[in-house]
Amino acid sequence: QAVLTQPPSVSGAPGQTVTLSCTGNRSNIGAPYDVNWYQQLPGTAPKLLIYGNTNRPSGVPDRMSGSKSDTSASLAITGLQAEDEADYYCQSYDSSLSGYVFGGGTKVFVL
Amino acid sequence: QVQLVQSGAEVKKPGASVRVSCKTSGYSFSDYSLLWVRQAPGQGPEWMASINPNTGGVNYAQKFQGRVTVTRDTSISTSYLELSSLRSGDTAVYYCARILFYFETGGDAFDVWGQGTMVTVSS
Repeated sequence: QAVLTQPPSVSGAPGQTVTLSCTGNRSNIGAPYDVNWYQQLPGTAPKLLIYGNTNRPSGVPDRMSGSKSDTSASLAITGLQAEDEADYYCQSYDSSLSGYVFGGGTKVFVL
Repeated sequence: QVQLVQSGAEVKKPGASVRVSCKTSGYSFSDYSLLWVRQAPGQGPEWMASINPNTGGVNYAQKFQGRVTVTRDTSISTSYLELSSLRSGDTAVYYCARILFYFETGGDAFDVWGQGTMVTVSS
């Protein structure tokens, strides 16, 4: 059972916007510790998508955006494209566990 | 460019041990901590341990305390994960990743990952 809670899947048509949620508690996201997001294409390692709640590493398109409020965080993908079909994981730090924690992941389907 | 290259797939019997290596290149090995996580089929990543290559200090997830050992060899810029007393639930892909500290946020994230090592535990 993952420490951070994510919906199993979301879907959208090309061009639409999808929003992925990530829910934690006062020991992690609400502590407050930063939330990072990773994209994982089938058969590959995760790739850093968003760091520090809202920041994009170089090379990540601005269609990807992150936000955080209290004990939750969100990743929005605007202008959905076929290449966005992947698994997305949120990640933070947990003071009660003294370690890094991940969500169970959300699979994005592009219809 | 920064690269983390892991050792190949392993098949082990229950009760055995496995060692996975993570060879880094393209940056100063001692300047960045490394993370080890595993990912069981269909699940999210699970943090196992983090190592400071400069000091050799390791933080282990409580779940794996006593069963996992992470070490490093600075002469060849490589970290190792050893997991003992293997059971079927340890079947997963094991990843190493570099931990990058972001001064602008005061937090860290995992910016470069190894390709993963599949460990299968089966009798």
